[in-house]
Formats: sequence, C-alpha cells, structure tokens
Amino acid sequence: GNSVTQMEGPVTLSEEAFLTINCTYTATGYPSLFWYVQYPGEGLQLLLKATKADDKGSNKGFEATYRKETTSFHLEKGSVQVSDSAVYFCALSRSGGTSYGKLTFGQGTILTVHP
Amino acid sequence: NAGVTQTPKFRVLKTGQSMTLLCAQDMNHEYMYWYRQDPGMGLRLIHYSVGEGTTAKGEVPDGYNVSRLKKQNFLLGLESAAPSQTSVYFCASSLGTGEISYEQYFGPGTRLTVT
Repeated sequence: GNSVTQMEGPVTLSEEAFLTINCTYTATGYPSLFWYVQYPGEGLQLLLKATKADDKGSNKGFEATYRKETTSFHLEKGSVQVSDSAVYFCALSRSGGTSYGKLTFGQGTILTVHP
Repeated sequence: NAGVTQTPKFRVLKTGQSMTLLCAQDMNHEYMYWYRQDPGMGLRLIHYSVGEGTTAKGEVPDGYNVSRLKKQNFLLGLESAAPSQTSVYFCASSLGTGEISYEQYFGPGTRLTVT
C-alpha cells in the first residue's frame, strides 16, 4: 500500500536558518505529492504540491521537488521566520479515477523557530 | 464564503455515549472526507464521500458511521464512544471531478475527549 515517511521532529531553528524536512514515499504508479501546514489551533492548509516527476512546487518561500528516482519530496526554505512555526505534513494522493483524491499522510514534523 | 466549517469545536463524552459531528462546505465540492489526527500518527482517513448519497470506508472506519444526505454536509457519528476515539477530527472537501490533484480544503477541527 501507499505510505509516507517524514523525518522525525521536533525541529528547532533560529530565525533566518535554512530548513529541510525530509519526506520519502512508497506508492504504485505516479502519485501527486503535497505539503500541508498546520498552524497552532487551526486546520491544515495546502502549502505546495507537485503532480509529476521533476515538478517543483513552491509557495511562501518554501520549495519541494518531486524526485521519482529517490521517491522523495523534501521541503526546503532558505530563511525561516518565527511565523513559520507550525506542524508540516507530507502527503500523497494516488493517481487514477478510483483514488478519489484520498490522502496518505506522514506523521508530521513540528517546527519551532526562535527569534 | 466560509469554506469548511465543523461543529462542535470541543466535546467531552463518557464511554458509551453517542454523538454526531457536523461538517459543512459552501464551495459546491463533490468529495468530502473525515480524518482523525493522533500524536505521532499524522492524519488517518475514517470515511469519505464522492457525492450526495454516497459513502465509503477509509483506513480506520470501525466505530464510526457517516451520512451525506445533502451535498454540502457530511456527518460523522459515534454510536458508542470509546476512550480510543479520543482524538482531533478534521473534515475536508475537494472539487472532485476534473481536478487532477484533488486539492483538499480542511475545516478547523473538533477536539473530542472520551472519558
């Protein structure tokens, strides 16, 4: 079956540090890949996505590249801010009509950024 | 445009009690989903619906029932609550037909405690 593995957290960084959160996946076919972010006390929001190999998703300074050869979708940001403190989830959705967009999530990575 | 809303925000139940969680969306989305979020486990799909009058089981359906009598509403029921159902419950919706990546929009969550 499908699965997503994220690097274990929590991750604690100083403001303006470089961020990487690793994500690898197992899936048949060509899934779509997502990063969702959950700010304290809120629901999940889509941060970025990629739907085919070598696609790069980007938003709010965050980037992730769909690497089929390494089955990875690592999240990066060059300079984090205190406001980036949140829980980050990597997820995949299997392609095909019968998938109905169902998401398989990683366990989440807590990021805390200090001033 | 409220997006996805969930009622209630918090609830405490005693073992064996029943309750219904309500999810409503005003985006005319076809697909709706119920997830539960537990520490260290990410989000897991309980049930989903691909249209009015349809429901299907997800990854962890036992102990839950759902109904989609109206397109905009998706109800999650617990007939006899157990402490193992203590969790945060999230509803989500997506456009469905014609949407390649099936981007999901999440509600703010319901925190349920079963004692």
